[in-house]
Amino acid sequence: GAVVSQHPSWVICKSGTSVKIECRSLDFQATTMFWYRQFPKQSLMLMATSNEGSKATYEQGVEKDKFLINHASLTLSTLTVTSAHPEDSSFYICSASRDPNSYEQYFGPGTRLTVT
Amino acid sequence: AQSVTQPDIHITVSEGASLELRCNYSYGATPYLFWYVQSPGQGLQLLLKYFSGDTLVQGIKGFEAEFKRSQSSFNLRKPSVHWSDAAEYFCAVVPFGNEKLTFGTGTRLTIIP
Repeated sequence: GAVVSQHPSWVICKSGTSVKIECRSLDFQATTMFWYRQFPKQSLMLMATSNEGSKATYEQGVEKDKFLINHASLTLSTLTVTSAHPEDSSFYICSASRDPNSYEQYFGPGTRLTVT
Repeated sequence: AQSVTQPDIHITVSEGASLELRCNYSYGATPYLFWYVQSPGQGLQLLLKYFSGDTLVQGIKGFEAEFKRSQSSFNLRKPSVHWSDAAEYFCAVVPFGNEKLTFGTGTRLTIIP
């Protein structure tokens, strides 16, 4: 149990366009979802935390107008990269928590975004 | 400054040999401690976690970790590695009173025959 999926697994888009990434908890309801960014051969950096029905909380230095997060339901969160530029190319990973007291997060497989 | 450090960027181990991956943290109070493994095409998988109690923690896939308060360390060990253990390993912490995970820089493990 505790499976998290992401779609798409990879996407190529042109500079200036927007792209949406979906994160779904398949077999549990997620109280909180997290979005991370991972550069090649580097660690995961938390971008934002979202709770269903409320605005996401962004980490310092993350542009909330560029990275729009919508947590529409207890099983779905989306990340939209608006007006993408080549420097937004990265590996985006989501995770979900079903019990805040467990501090355990379940991770999706990630989405590789390439902006040309 | 608060941080979690994995001193080894890349480790190569022969199949069947023992393994130890290092993790050190710097926080005022002992945080919650985790080890995750990341394999290509798969999401990060939790190997084990430590909140309190017995300082030797058993995890999945034959891994264990030992919490040493005096050394601010939480090293991951496996007595005999398998080729399938080749992956990226991340130590992570959740500071007390916070649900956000902070990851170390990761250690890439290569297994040679």
